[in-house]
Amino acid sequence: SQTIHQWPATLVQPVGSPLSLECTVEGTSNPNLYWYRQAAGRGLQLLFYSVGIGQISSEVPQNLSASRPQDRQFILSSKKLLLSDSGFYLCAWSVAGPPIYEQYFGPGTRLTVT
Amino acid sequence: AQKVTQAQTEISVVEKEDVTLDCVYETRDTTYYLFWYKQPPSGELVFLIRRNSFDEQNEISGRYSWNFQKSTSSFNFTITASQVVDSAVYFCALPYYGNNRLAFGKGNQVVVIP
Repeated sequence: SQTIHQWPATLVQPVGSPLSLECTVEGTSNPNLYWYRQAAGRGLQLLFYSVGIGQISSEVPQNLSASRPQDRQFILSSKKLLLSDSGFYLCAWSVAGPPIYEQYFGPGTRLTVT
Repeated sequence: AQKVTQAQTEISVVEKEDVTLDCVYETRDTTYYLFWYKQPPSGELVFLIRRNSFDEQNEISGRYSWNFQKSTSSFNFTITASQVVDSAVYFCALPYYGNNRLAFGKGNQVVVIP
């Protein structure tokens, strides 16, 4: 069966510090991978998605970046965190499409920028 | 463009009452999938159901049921005999055909009062 891992689970970082969040998927090959952020309130904001190694699509201009160095590894990074980067970060995977099937989410990382 | 509307922001019910969550969508696609997710207080989004636009039969899974009506572009979700464990945010979602993304609604916060 497929499993998705995210770490760390929680993170407190000062403004201006770097960030690296990691997501890995097990039990599937060539998945689509996604990074979402959920800030105050409930909305899900898609940040990046990837359909293959080295292929990254950015949805929202920001000081974050994403990389996919391996087929089942997706990394979210920042060189200098802002207060507004605080939030709940979720990684997800789906079977490669089209059609577009359901996405399966990881446990998330709660990031607080102080 | 795809759009998902979940108009009810927060719904409070007393345990054992039924609760129905409305999802109205807009799409130009002739065939598509629809999804519901549950986000409990722990934060991880849990996939509940996928429905193909070809299939308008109602779906029942335990205390959960879904009513899909293509004519009114609605995919409503009912929890029967609610329990405290049903307290969560519920999201409806619709794919953007051809570019691997999901359009999520803003979510319905369900609070089940014991």
